[in-house]
Amino acid sequence: GENVEQHPSTLSVQEGDSAVIKCTYSDSASNYFPWYKQELGKRPQLIIDIRSNVGEKKDQRIAVTLNKTAKHFSLHITETQPEDSAVYFCAASTYGTYKYIFGTGTRLKVLA
Amino acid sequence: NAGVMQNPRHLVRRRGQEARLRCSPMKGHSHVYWYRQLPEEGLKFMVYLQKENIIDESGMPKERFSAEFPKEGPSILRIQQVVRGDSAAYFCASSPVGETQYFGPGTRLLVL
Repeated sequence: GENVEQHPSTLSVQEGDSAVIKCTYSDSASNYFPWYKQELGKRPQLIIDIRSNVGEKKDQRIAVTLNKTAKHFSLHITETQPEDSAVYFCAASTYGTYKYIFGTGTRLKVLA
Repeated sequence: NAGVMQNPRHLVRRRGQEARLRCSPMKGHSHVYWYRQLPEEGLKFMVYLQKENIIDESGMPKERFSAEFPKEGPSILRIQQVVRGDSAAYFCASSPVGETQYFGPGTRLLVL
């Protein structure tokens, strides 16, 4: 069935360093890939997304890259700050079904 | 424009009771999705609804769980005869057709 694998499960970086989270999806028909940030006890909030007709998208300190051939996509956060500390989830979706298949999450800790 | 609303935010039930979780989508959104999040885990798709229609319920347990999105009023996720394993955070999301999903604050269900 559909599956999204996410690595690493935990990630600690020093403030100012970069963080990279990677996801691999199984359904080759997937065409939309959002990333959500979830703080403790809060709702998941969209931080960036990418569609399958684009290889890379950037928004200030956050960027996402997509490799359709390899079926993986990555989140890059540069110049990390303590407020970036949260759990990050990747997801994959397919036109027509629309449900999100989520990865298992990455707990990012930015050390001041 | 108010975001996705869910109520109650916290719900305590004893084993065997019924739980009713409500979700009001963002204005202009006609698609509603329900996800379940167990402690320290990712979000699992349960059901996708449009007004008066269940589009995809492939993630919902066959017994005790039901969902509806009536012509008027909020979407409701109903869990009958709750068991301890139903304790989780239940998130609702809404979107216009085929677009990004925005999440509500969640209902945290605790079954005693």
